[in-house]
Amino acid sequence: DIQMTQAPSSVSASVGDRVTITCRASKDVANRLVWYQQKPGKVPKLLIYAASTLQSGVPSRFSGSGSGTDFTLTISSLQPEDFATYYCQQADSFPRTFGQGTKLEIK
Amino acid sequence: QVQLQESGPGLVKPSQTLSLTCAVSGTSITSGGYYWNWIRQHPGKGLEWIGYILFSGSTIYNPSLKSRVTISLDTSKNHISLKLSSVTAADTAMYYCAKDLGAHVDTYGMDVWGQGTTVTVSS
Repeated sequence: DIQMTQAPSSVSASVGDRVTITCRASKDVANRLVWYQQKPGKVPKLLIYAASTLQSGVPSRFSGSGSGTDFTLTISSLQPEDFATYYCQQADSFPRTFGQGTKLEIK
Repeated sequence: QVQLQESGPGLVKPSQTLSLTCAVSGTSITSGGYYWNWIRQHPGKGLEWIGYILFSGSTIYNPSLKSRVTISLDTSKNHISLKLSSVTAADTAMYYCAKDLGAHVDTYGMDVWGQGTTVTVSS
């Protein structure tokens, strides 16, 4: 299985801050990397696919980059609704695997 | 607009078989070219992919669950089913069904999720 490791596991930030979350795959997944946002008690929401393609309806303050084994999710200017847990997922091989999540909290 | 809704018993006894259904509306499960996934999330934990079924009926399962999992299509009801046999307390989780974003492409992640159904395994 491909192991996905996110860093940090949690981060505190303020509204307006720029935040970057990293995701590392244990093997090359090319650009087959997906990011989700999950708020407490809610369903995961697809943010970015193919490492850098913004899903329809997702604000442009979210961006993704990377290829191979190292990826980043950046939120350029945090908004109150962005405080949530973020997961990366590789879509290159089976089984599909997720990172452990990064909890973004209000400072 | 595609919508998914999971249903099933909230409580299952150890060693029994967990059976869940995902009702799909807004598209046909066989004609849209989509991949249909089951994912679970243990309480307070991350996401675990269980497996998926293609519009054609072919399946791919997580090897960690493969010996116990069956995913199938019910075309008459436009449902996707999940069966997990010989359950233990470790199978207590929220179970989600989710549709892959791309038609005939399974590398873009999952864009439509059901609300999830909580399953507790306990005697």
